[in-house]
This record gives sequence, C-alpha cells and structure tokens, in this order.
Amino acid sequence: GENVEQHPSTLSVQEGDSAVIKCTYSDSASNYFPWYKQELGKGPQLIIDIRSNVGEKKDQRIAVTLNKTAKHFSLHITETQPEDSAVYFCAAGANSGYALNFGKGTSLLVTP
Amino acid sequence: DTAVSQTPKYLVTQMGNDKSIKCEQNLGHDTMYWYKQDSKKFLKIMFSYNNKELIINETVPNRFSPKSPDKAHLNLHINSLELGDSAVYFCASSQAPPGTGETGELFFGEGSRLTVL
Repeated sequence: GENVEQHPSTLSVQEGDSAVIKCTYSDSASNYFPWYKQELGKGPQLIIDIRSNVGEKKDQRIAVTLNKTAKHFSLHITETQPEDSAVYFCAAGANSGYALNFGKGTSLLVTP
Repeated sequence: DTAVSQTPKYLVTQMGNDKSIKCEQNLGHDTMYWYKQDSKKFLKIMFSYNNKELIINETVPNRFSPKSPDKAHLNLHINSLELGDSAVYFCASSQAPPGTGETGELFFGEGSRLTVL
C-alpha cells in the first residue's frame, strides 16, 4: 500500500516567518495530494490540494508544490500567524483507491 | 448544521466491554470512512465504505465491526475492548473516492475519544 513520509514532526517559527513541510510518497499511481489542518479538539480540515498534472498551486499565504518524478510534495506557508498553529497532515490518494493515506503529521507552532 | 456528526464525543470504559460509536453525514456523500488517531496523532485508515458496501478493511482486529445501515450512516462497534484501543476515532465522508480530486475531499467529524481503563 501507499507509504507517506512527512517531515519535520515539529516545527516552531516566529510570526511572520515562512514554514515548509515536506512529504514523500511511494505509490506511483497516487495522483491526488491534499493537505489537512487539525486544530486542537477538532477533526482535520482540507486547506489545499494538488493533482498530479499540476506542479504548483497557491491560495493566498499557502502554496503546495509537487515533484512527481521525485515523489515529493511540500506545503509552504508564508507570513505565518499564531492562528496557523496546528497539526498539518499531508496525504496521498489514487483514482483506484478508496482511502487517503496520511503522513504522521507536523505540529506547527507560530510564536508571536 | 453539522456535516459529519459522531456520538459520543467522549467514551470511558473498562477493558473487556463492548461499545459503539455512531456516525452520520448530511452531505449526501457516497463514501464514508473510519480513521483511528493514536496518541502520536497518526491517522490510520480502518475502514472505507462506498454506497453501503465495505471497500477497505485494513489490518484491523475483527473485534472491530463497522455497519452501514444506509449511505448516511456508518457505525463502529468494538467488542472486548483492550487498552490499546484507546484513541480518537474519526468518521469522515467524501462525495467520491479521494483520488478523484475535488469530489474526493474528506469531511471529518470532530472525533470520538475512547479511553479504555
């Protein structure tokens, strides 16, 4: 099955700095790469996603890049704010699959 | 209006007991899931149902039995609870399988925290 590796497991940045979280996947059939944000006591929520026919996607302060050859994808958050503090999960899915496989999560702390 | 709702939110019980967690979605989605999140926050797929049919059953002990009476509901019953079952269980739904992109977005419930003593 799909194996998704995520790094780092914890990340602490100063408010206003950028944060980068990286993931790798193993299954070349994977074609869908979403990122979820989980706040304390809540379920994960989709923040951005990218499909395999696109190399980069941006939504305001959040961007995701995909290198399909290297099987890498990354989340970039610019101008971080304290409310960005949460656990972030990358995931990979395939058309033939009926579940997302998640990375182990990155706990992001943005300090004022 | 809660899109994916789970009950109970908290469940504390003794080893050996049997318990159930209920999940309902009002999004009209065809696919529903159960994920287990352990103390290290790792989210692991347990089951996936599409149109009431079991699609994925990961390496989960057969003490765990999902039941989908209709497309809007996916309940999880756990027999003979063990200490290692303590975790947060998340129900989720999507319009279509995840690999299909936009329609594959997972909507999660708020989780059910199970503590086995």
